[in-house]
Amino acid sequence: DIQMTQSPSSLSASMGDRVTITCRPSQTISRYLNWYQQKPGKAPKLLIYAASSLQSGVPSRFSGSGSGTDFTLTISSLQPEDFATYYCQQSYSTPRTFGQGTKVEIK
Amino acid sequence: QLQLQESGPGLVKSSETLSLTCTVSGGSISSSSYYWGWIRQPPGKGLEWIGSIFWIGNTNYNPSLKSRVTISVDTSKNQFSLKLRFVTAADTAVYYCAREEQQLPSPYTWLDPWGHGTLVTVSS
Repeated sequence: DIQMTQSPSSLSASMGDRVTITCRPSQTISRYLNWYQQKPGKAPKLLIYAASSLQSGVPSRFSGSGSGTDFTLTISSLQPEDFATYYCQQSYSTPRTFGQGTKVEIK
Repeated sequence: QLQLQESGPGLVKSSETLSLTCTVSGGSISSSSYYWGWIRQPPGKGLEWIGSIFWIGNTNYNPSLKSRVTISVDTSKNQFSLKLRFVTAADTAVYYCAREEQQLPSPYTWLDPWGHGTLVTVSS
């Protein structure tokens, strides 16, 4: 199985801050990397697919980059509705695997 | 707009079989571009992929659960189902169904949309 390691596990940030979350797979996965946002009691929501493609309807303050073994999710200016947990997920091979999550909290 | 809805018992006794169904509306489950998957999330924990199925019946399972899991599809009802045998307290989780989408000719896939999820509690 491909292990996905996210960092940090949690962070505190203020409105308007630039936030960066990193995801590192245990082996190279080209650009087979997706990012999801999950709010309490809700299903995960797709933000970014294929490492850097923005899902329709997702605000442009979200962006993804990277390939191989190093990926980043960036929120350019944190908004109140962005406080949530973020997960990366690889679709390079089965079993699909997720990172452990990064909880973004209000500072 | 495609929607997925999980259904099934919210309480299952230990050692018995967990059975859930995902009903797809707003689109056909018989599409050449999609797999249909199950993912679970224990309370307060992260996401675990259980497995997926193609409409003609091809399946992929997580090796950690493979001996206990069966995923099946019923195209006439536009549904796919999950059975997890010999459950224990460790199987208590919110279970989600989701579509694994691929936009050909790109090789990349992603999970979207997801159902709302259903909490299944295993009791002793």
